[in-house]
Amino acid sequence: GQNIDQPTEMTATEGAIVQINCTYQTSGFNGLFWYQQHAGEAPTFLSYNVLDGLEEKGRFSSFLSRSKGYSYLLLKELQMKDSASYLCAVTDSNYQLIWGAGTKLIIKP
Amino acid sequence: GAVVSQHPSWVICKSGTSVKIECRSLDFQATTMFWYRQFPKQSLMLMATSNEGSKATYEQGVEKDKFLINHASLTLSTLTVTSAHPEDSSFYICSARDLSGEGRESQPQHFGDGTRLSIL
Repeated sequence: GQNIDQPTEMTATEGAIVQINCTYQTSGFNGLFWYQQHAGEAPTFLSYNVLDGLEEKGRFSSFLSRSKGYSYLLLKELQMKDSASYLCAVTDSNYQLIWGAGTKLIIKP
Repeated sequence: GAVVSQHPSWVICKSGTSVKIECRSLDFQATTMFWYRQFPKQSLMLMATSNEGSKATYEQGVEKDKFLINHASLTLSTLTVTSAHPEDSSFYICSARDLSGEGRESQPQHFGDGTRLSIL
């Protein structure tokens, strides 16, 4: 079956760095997305990786290793507004998007 | 960036009422639209995938006669919750993706703002 694993919850301190991991096992691979979802709101797109390596976008970076079926989202200089759920999603060979359950990130002052 | 408009954002109605939710892509052609449901503190649950001009594909356990989906044009999909009951109360979110053309795999899903449905 298809499976995406992320930690359920993480806690970090304002100003610090946090890494949210995602491992996947899917039928084929056509890219991996990270989304941010604040409570009570719809998800918003953060990043897309299809090749191995690191993609940097301001305070957020996303890394992919296809051979390991692994990705992480790195958030630097954490701000209180970064408290949200972070969703990892993989596009499989049929271009279906398979969602992880999300990681709830709690930022403490 | 791409915008998806979802309407209404909030619905409160009596048990037995049918509720229609609209999802529009405003600046791109949404060849594929998705309908999700999310209960409090739970992850997104895909209900169905619809492609323009064809019947929706429902996920296992989702009643197609209960949740009617119409995707009549490249910019509009509707979800109708028929004869809604309190257990149908949830946060319904649509998303759209342009899967035509080259580079389609890199196209993210763009989400509407969601519809909070409360059935009394």
